[in-house]
Amino acid sequence: KAGVTQTPRYLIKTRGQQVTLSCSPISGHRSVSWYQQTPGQGLQFLFEYFSETQRNKGNFPGRFSGRQFSNSRSEMNVSTLELGDSALYLCASREEIVTDTQYFGPGTRLTVL
Amino acid sequence: GDSVTQMEGPVTLSEEAFLTINCTYTATGYPSLFWYVQYPGEGLQLLLKATKADDKGSNKGFEATYRKETTSFHLEKGSVQVSDSAVYFCALSLNNAGNMLTFGGGTRLMVKP
Repeated sequence: KAGVTQTPRYLIKTRGQQVTLSCSPISGHRSVSWYQQTPGQGLQFLFEYFSETQRNKGNFPGRFSGRQFSNSRSEMNVSTLELGDSALYLCASREEIVTDTQYFGPGTRLTVL
Repeated sequence: GDSVTQMEGPVTLSEEAFLTINCTYTATGYPSLFWYVQYPGEGLQLLLKATKADDKGSNKGFEATYRKETTSFHLEKGSVQVSDSAVYFCALSLNNAGNMLTFGGGTRLMVKP
């Protein structure tokens, strides 16, 4: 099976802009989670979607949002970008929401100038 | 809240040396425990997991045993290779918390030839 894919791999934006990142889970996986990785804060959970519904949400401002489509693909959106949003954004998928093992994609490196 | 603490790096070893990376956790329930590895410029790869006390996870020569009495999940390898150089993350997930992953801060391992 193909792994989790994320597009784009690299992105450069300026403050105030918005950005949309995409994640395609492993075939058959219905849950998609998003994590932010920064040198200062480490790996932090953003949110999780299952069957097009947000099931869990981390402690991030409302500028961070996401959605999931009927084919399980997911997008996350960050509006009004700030310098501190520069990070590696990782997507992970799993078969069911009760399955404890998640598989990660390669990430999208976002740089905000 | 739930948390994971890892030894700070970097850990620098010579090839064929013995590796231990310490990991302890705090959790309100009975978590599943994971080690993930991140190679430069890549996302996270699942290295091994354990779902209950006294379980031993193993993969590619790495091992970790779930110790409930000491709330630990230390990663070990008998003989490291240069190709093991990476950042290692210990993580937990709790079924009653939606199985989202809580990560430690990561430990960078550098293996010299």
